[in-house]
Amino acid sequence: QSALTQPPSASGSPGQSVTISCTGTSSDVGAYKYVSWYQEHPGKAPKLIIYEVSKRPSGVTARFSGSKSGNTASLTVSGLQAEDEADYYCSSYAGNNNLVFGGGTKLTVL
Amino acid sequence: EVQLLDSGGGLVKPGGSLRLSCSASGFTFTSYTMNWVRQAPGKGLEWVASISSRGSYIYYADSVKGRFTISRDNANTSMFLQMNGLRAEDTAVYYCARGTWQLDYWGQGSLVAVSS
Repeated sequence: QSALTQPPSASGSPGQSVTISCTGTSSDVGAYKYVSWYQEHPGKAPKLIIYEVSKRPSGVTARFSGSKSGNTASLTVSGLQAEDEADYYCSSYAGNNNLVFGGGTKLTVL
Repeated sequence: EVQLLDSGGGLVKPGGSLRLSCSASGFTFTSYTMNWVRQAPGKGLEWVASISSRGSYIYYADSVKGRFTISRDNANTSMFLQMNGLRAEDTAVYYCARGTWQLDYWGQGSLVAVSS
């Protein structure tokens, strides 16, 4: 199963909004609602920030939002803050009891 | 508080074996599917295997099928990954994680290095 496609990097200034894309196929992102996003700070374990395309776990700031259109999912970070600088990974259930991740996007807060 | 503690990593020669453990606390372990996810140095995340709440359903990524075995001990709220026939490309930090295709809690990771 191929990994999902994410841009390697993204950036924005404090207070701005940034959107990170995650492109899959009609067999994964396009087929299922089980699209998630994870935030990973250096040396730390990944943290779930979006599940089922657009839902936020308890305690996750509303500045993170998710959406999906066709085979592409997106994560938007609004009101960028320094603490948002991290790596972001998408994942999707891909059928046949298989989970695929994107290659990751490094978000830089300028 | 949900806690997942990974352990068992280390340096092993190609072809060798290693057993990872994940000790869980703070939630009803028997209610959750558990997973192993790995991250090679400087690379992205890769799902490795999952095991259903009672161990009835087990799934593997093609990259480890036939070499790795996932298991769990619900009485002791623990999960394991037996890794045989290790290759250099298996070098990674291995995380245990809770959830069914959406992983809401992760351990701190255990480093496995395969090198001669």
